[in-house]
Amino acid sequence: ERVMTQSPATLSVSPGERATLSCRASQSVGSNLAWYQQKPGQAPRLLIYGASTRATGIPDRFSGSGSGTEFTLTISSLQSEDFVVYYCQQYNFWPLTFGGGTRVEIK
Amino acid sequence: QVQLVQSGAEVKKPGASVKVSCKASGYTFTDYYVHWVRQAPGQGLEWMGWLNPKNGDTYYGQNFTDRVTMTRATSTSTAYMELSRLRSDDTAIYYCAREGYSPAEYWGLGTLVTVSS
Repeated sequence: ERVMTQSPATLSVSPGERATLSCRASQSVGSNLAWYQQKPGQAPRLLIYGASTRATGIPDRFSGSGSGTEFTLTISSLQSEDFVVYYCQQYNFWPLTFGGGTRVEIK
Repeated sequence: QVQLVQSGAEVKKPGASVKVSCKASGYTFTDYYVHWVRQAPGQGLEWMGWLNPKNGDTYYGQNFTDRVTMTRATSTSTAYMELSRLRSDDTAIYYCAREGYSPAEYWGLGTLVTVSS
């Protein structure tokens, strides 16, 4: 099983600033990496797939990068609605696995 | 537009089974895999497995292989996830999701399953 490790668990950032979230795979997953955003009381929403491609309707302040074992989600200028939880997921190997999540909170 | 409508909340006793449904609309049901993901209260996401609606093939995560069964009814475009021998730590929101650009491009709203004596 590919273990996905997200860091930090909690990230404190001021509105308007940049947030950088990390996701590390225990073994290479190529570019088969997705990022999801989850707001309280809601289902997750797909942000990024293929490590760097924004899903339909996702603002361009969200960007993904990386391949192999190291991935990054960057939010260029945090808006109030961005202070929620983010998960990465690898889909290169079965079983699919999620990271433990990063909560972005207001500093 | 793609919609996944899940069945309502359930309360079950330990040892019982639960069957959650996920009715798809807005696309051809047999063209895309359906995945199931659960989330315990205050916890992260846990992938459970997938169902190929075209032929009924399934793949289950190792934590669920002996207790989960995923099926479908193509006539009603509905996927089902049944979890047996429920325990208190199975209390969670269960989501169905349709594959697309990622395994979970579209999500249902979730079904809360509470296991309590």
